[in-house]
Amino acid sequence: ELKVEQNPLFLSMQEGKNYTIYCNYSTTSDRLYWYRQDPGKSLESLFVLLSNGAVKQEGRLMASLDTKARLSTLHITAAVHDLSATYFCAVTIQGGSEKLVFGKGTKLTVNP
Amino acid sequence: NAGVTQTPKFRILKIGQSMTLQCAQDMNHNYMYWYRQDPGMGLKLIYYSVGAGITDKGEVPNGYNVSRSTTEDFPLRLELAAPSQTSVYFCASSVRDRGSEAFFGQGTRLTVV
Repeated sequence: ELKVEQNPLFLSMQEGKNYTIYCNYSTTSDRLYWYRQDPGKSLESLFVLLSNGAVKQEGRLMASLDTKARLSTLHITAAVHDLSATYFCAVTIQGGSEKLVFGKGTKLTVNP
Repeated sequence: NAGVTQTPKFRILKIGQSMTLQCAQDMNHNYMYWYRQDPGMGLKLIYYSVGAGITDKGEVPNGYNVSRSTTEDFPLRLELAAPSQTSVYFCASSVRDRGSEAFFGQGTRLTVV
């Protein structure tokens, strides 16, 4: 059974600081996604990572994938208040069904 | 494009009642998913479908049923609603392309009293 674990689950940061969110998964994966969710809203896609060593960046967010370690990271650079949200990683099983399994999410709060 | 449309947005059910949550997508996506999100929690997969006529169970299928008679629609049926089914339900769809992400509807907030 595919399990996806994120840590930390809660993260409080000061503006201007850097931090990393980690996503571990239990079986070989075909692809990994990062999503953002604002309170009371739906999920917004941030990144799709397909291969070992993949790195994608958008603004102050950078995501990377290490398929050998079954680990993805979401790095936040010089955080700003607008990044406050819950961030989810999600994974599908390589060569298997199209079941898309989510981690529990990391609630990020950026304080002035 | 409308994307993924869920109806209703809000609903209050009494214990034992039944209802169908509607989900429609206009992007000709093969894959569709139903998730539930409990307060402060992540998303748990209820059912998913890889095409019309094909459905499969996710992590938490008990108490729910689905059908997929067309590519566009993927309704979720709740039979004999229970308080434990109080949650926000999200429908999502994606295309058969490794580089494509899943697109989510706006959610249905369901309360069972």
